[in-house]
Amino acid sequence: QKEVEQDPGPLSVPEGAIVSLNCTYSNSAFQYFMWYRQYSRKGPELLMYTYSSGNKEDGRFTAQVDKSSKYISLFIRDSQPSDSATYLCATVYNFNKFYFGSGTKLNVKP
Amino acid sequence: DSGVTQTPKHLITATGQRVTLRCSPRSGDLSVYWYQQSLDQGLQFLIQYYNGEERAKGNILERFSAQQFPDLHSELNLSSLELGDSALYFCASSPTTGKLAKNIQYFGAGTRLSVL
Repeated sequence: QKEVEQDPGPLSVPEGAIVSLNCTYSNSAFQYFMWYRQYSRKGPELLMYTYSSGNKEDGRFTAQVDKSSKYISLFIRDSQPSDSATYLCATVYNFNKFYFGSGTKLNVKP
Repeated sequence: DSGVTQTPKHLITATGQRVTLRCSPRSGDLSVYWYQQSLDQGLQFLIQYYNGEERAKGNILERFSAQQFPDLHSELNLSSLELGDSALYFCASSPTTGKLAKNIQYFGAGTRLSVL
């Protein structure tokens, strides 16, 4: 079983839609969770990070962690064509072993 | 721009050859991580260095090795290359201070390796 599982998509939505991206993780010891955005042929860039359970909001983005079900989500409100990218969820163990999901490819149509 | 510099951007070589990928972390970051990203495997953690010392190992093949130099730049050496080594190789660095900061990684633009 992989440490982090993510639906690869692709996910295609119209501009302005609310997007929900999801991951599950295997180890209840994981406490820090991150979301990265990766444009084609570029390196991943950090979007958000959360600690333990709960929600964190940053502009149009909301990250949510449900530790009871080992489920992490990223919501994008009022999605824009510029949000079209691959989104990677990630977690870290002991501050030095990072595990990434395989990424969900998102396409926001104008 | 993340502040992490990787060279070269593209590398084309033949099976059996050896190549060296180079990474300069963000100014002040002591930690360097190497990742391999291929279509079927996603982003795979290879190895981490902290201030010149190996800190953690992931799924790194024995044919691969890395080091971090006193000026904190790092090199990833790939030898006896196989077709399956064709992938994007990313370097990332993370801040040194602050508990949460250690969980933040800044990625370079990557080196695209093609083994023919």
